[in-house]
Amino acid sequence: DAGVIQSPRHEVTEMGQEVTLRCKPISGHDYLFWYRQTMMRGLELLIYFNNNVPIDDSGMPEDRFSAKMPNASFSTLKIQPSEPRDSAVYFCASSLDSHNEQFFGPGTRLTVL
Amino acid sequence: ELKVEQNPLFLSMQEGKNYTIYCNYSTTSDRLYWYRQDPGKSLESLFVLLSNGAVKQEGRLMASLDTKARLSTLHITAAVHDLSATYFCAVQETSGSRLTFGEGTQLTVNP
Repeated sequence: DAGVIQSPRHEVTEMGQEVTLRCKPISGHDYLFWYRQTMMRGLELLIYFNNNVPIDDSGMPEDRFSAKMPNASFSTLKIQPSEPRDSAVYFCASSLDSHNEQFFGPGTRLTVL
Repeated sequence: ELKVEQNPLFLSMQEGKNYTIYCNYSTTSDRLYWYRQDPGKSLESLFVLLSNGAVKQEGRLMASLDTKARLSTLHITAAVHDLSATYFCAVQETSGSRLTFGEGTQLTVNP
């Protein structure tokens, strides 16, 4: 299995631009999670989906952030407009069910100038 | 709100020595996970602890869970340089799938 796939691996953009991060979970996994990692705040859960339906988005920082999962094999996290404080590593993870370990993708390192 | 605290946050140790990393959490849970992260890399699952008294071992690492004390430990035996990494514990709430991560323990094993 290829594991969780994320793209792009690195993104550098300017403040105000739209950023879209992509994730392909492990096939057969029903749960998909988006995390953000920064030095200041550590690892934070942004949102998670079960069977393509958003279950808990309480970690989404503000309206500039949105996430979708149009099908079982694809999810996006969009930031519009981006700000320098959004600079972080964004991880996608998936799990078989609600009480199994989560497998993490390689992450997207986002830099907003 | 579930809080997860690890200590120490930074650990420098010599090869061959033993040490323990502690993970305390604030509310009832019976599912705890340990992950390893190398610099610039993703998180790798190490252990899944699913019940009180659970003990798992892999190589020089052993993890345990005491749900009554709300405490998990990650014990390192005869450390080697390859174990240098950041170790995270993550606690899953009894209801739901949300994981709350500790701050991480940055381990450096010196020759």
